[in-house]
Amino acid sequence: GESVGLHLPTLSVQEGDNSIINCAYSNSASDYFIWYKQESGKGPQFIIDIRSNMDKRQGQRVTVLLNKTVKHLSLQIAATQPGDSAVYFCAENRGDYKLSFGAGTTVTVRA
Amino acid sequence: SAVISQKPSRDICQRGTSLTIQCQVDSQVTMMFWYRQQPGQSLTLIATANQGSEATYESGFVIDKFPISRPNLTFSTLTVSNMSPEDSSIYLCSVGVQEGYTFGSGTRLTVV
Repeated sequence: GESVGLHLPTLSVQEGDNSIINCAYSNSASDYFIWYKQESGKGPQFIIDIRSNMDKRQGQRVTVLLNKTVKHLSLQIAATQPGDSAVYFCAENRGDYKLSFGAGTTVTVRA
Repeated sequence: SAVISQKPSRDICQRGTSLTIQCQVDSQVTMMFWYRQQPGQSLTLIATANQGSEATYESGFVIDKFPISRPNLTFSTLTVSNMSPEDSSIYLCSVGVQEGYTFGSGTRLTVV
């Protein structure tokens, strides 16, 4: 599968392979993190979230990993499909439900 | 999760004019948020719309430019005033719910 150690703005992945998208956050006091998927012409769509008292959470074909030591968040997508092509954003809760978004990674799935 | 209806979905406006964007939620929510997404960029919080009180603006955003109304717990408007081409962006409203934060589909604004 495709993986990146640092945040990259784009990721090209072969259909069926696993994808890993990375994100660094800034505030060590942030206690809630969310991954969003944004398709062209649409608003961000919630994928999965994780609280700071956890280091891993799994959903349907997706897994989020949280490393608070290095303030790093990753999203793993298993068996990537063409419908997974989109821009993916991580977001951290700054407090009072205010979100701070990362730069985004554009994922392109190759057939 | 909450369902958000936002309109218009897109508009092309002349510079110097104003556009009001509406956001309707299918349930009562305490806090609503307005974000801006400039072309090819991430989302930036403009302000928090509080029912019954003045909106709270983030650094770099002012009420005169982006006046906000919040007349009840299901509705809010954002006005982009005296528009310039630099205001061309996608504007999104959002609500905070127990799991995740739901976003509207956005208003794609082009200022010419």
